[in-house]
Order: sequence, then C-alpha cells, then structure tokens
Amino acid sequence: DIQMTQSPASLSASLEEIVTITCQASQDIGNWLAWYQQKPGKSPQLLIYGATSLADGVPSRFSGSRSGTQYSLKISRLQVEDPGIYYCLQGYSAPLTFGSGTKLEIK
Amino acid sequence: EVQLVESGGGLVQPGRSLKLSCAASGFTFSNYGMAWVRQTPTKGLEWVASISTGGGNTYYRDSVKGRFTISRDNAKNTQYLQMDSLRSEDTATYYCARHAGNNYFDYWGQGVMVTVSS
Repeated sequence: DIQMTQSPASLSASLEEIVTITCQASQDIGNWLAWYQQKPGKSPQLLIYGATSLADGVPSRFSGSRSGTQYSLKISRLQVEDPGIYYCLQGYSAPLTFGSGTKLEIK
Repeated sequence: EVQLVESGGGLVQPGRSLKLSCAASGFTFSNYGMAWVRQTPTKGLEWVASISTGGGNTYYRDSVKGRFTISRDNAKNTQYLQMDSLRSEDTATYYCARHAGNNYFDYWGQGVMVTVSS
C-alpha cells in the first residue's frame, strides 16, 4: 500500500499568515493527489485535485504544488473560515490512501 | 446541485449484516464511478470500496474483501454497500462519494454512522 505521511499533525497560525501543509508519498504517485478540508460534523470538501488544480468554488488563496513525491497545500492568507482538518488523498493505486490529517487553528 | 444522501446506518451486533444506501441526484449517475469511504477518530479516513459506472468492476480494501459488497442500480440512481460478518473494527461513519478524474472524490454525502457492538 502507498503510505501518505502528512505533516504537521496540528498547526496554529494567525489571520493573514501563510500556511503550508505537506504530504510525502512512499512512492511515485505522479499528480494523483487531492486535498480536502473537513469541518466539524461535516464531510470532506475537495480543495485541490491533480496535485495543483483548484476545485470549483475554492478560493484562490488555496494552492497545491509538487516536488517529486512531496506534495504541499498552501493557504496564502489565512482567513477566519479556514480552520478545520486538512487531508491529502492519493489516487494512484488501490487501496486509495489518505494522509492522517492536519488540524489547523487560528492563533 | 449534486446531492448524495446515505441511509441504512445504525447499531448492529458483531457477525450480523447491514446494508447502506446512497441516493444520488443532480448529475447523470450512470456516468460516474462511485465509492464508499469510512472515518473513525483513530484510523482517520479509509477508502472502503469503489464501483465502475456500469457496475461491472468493483474494488475493495483487503480488510473488507469477502464481507462487503458494493453495488449500484443506475435506474434508481442509487448505490449500495452490503456489509456482512460485521466486526467491531467496522464501526465508523460511512460516506458515499463520487469518483472523478484522477481517482479522487469530488462530492461526498453527509455520512451515516455504523456501530458494531453487542
């Protein structure tokens, strides 16, 4: 199975700050990587797909990048509505696997 | 508007069965692969099973192979997850999800809770 090592596990940042979350794949997964945001009591919402493509309706302050087998989600200016848990997902091969999540809070 | 609405969850004893349903609307159901994903506080998000557009191809995680069956009825815009021989470790919130593009999920249902306990 492909392991997705996500870091940090938790993060506290100030409004307007830049936030970066990373996922390290245990093997090459190309651009088969998506990012999700989950708020308490809600289902995950798609932010980024294909490692770098912004999903419909997602604010442009969210962006995704790739360097080899390391993938990053960047929030360019943290907003009050951005706290939640963020997950990565690899869709390269079954079983599809998620990162363990990053809990983002406002400082 | 895409909507996925799960039903059928509940409390069930170990070894018993439960069938989840997911009613889809707002899109052409038969054009999309579908999936079930579950979530627990300890294991996080886990992909459970996927089914192709016509239902001819199904895929499962190892821990549920031989116990769970994913299926769909395109005439009813509904997918199902038949869960047999349930174990305590199957306790989770189960989400119905729509497959898109590079094997990611673009829409999710609200989730349904399944508790396996005596």
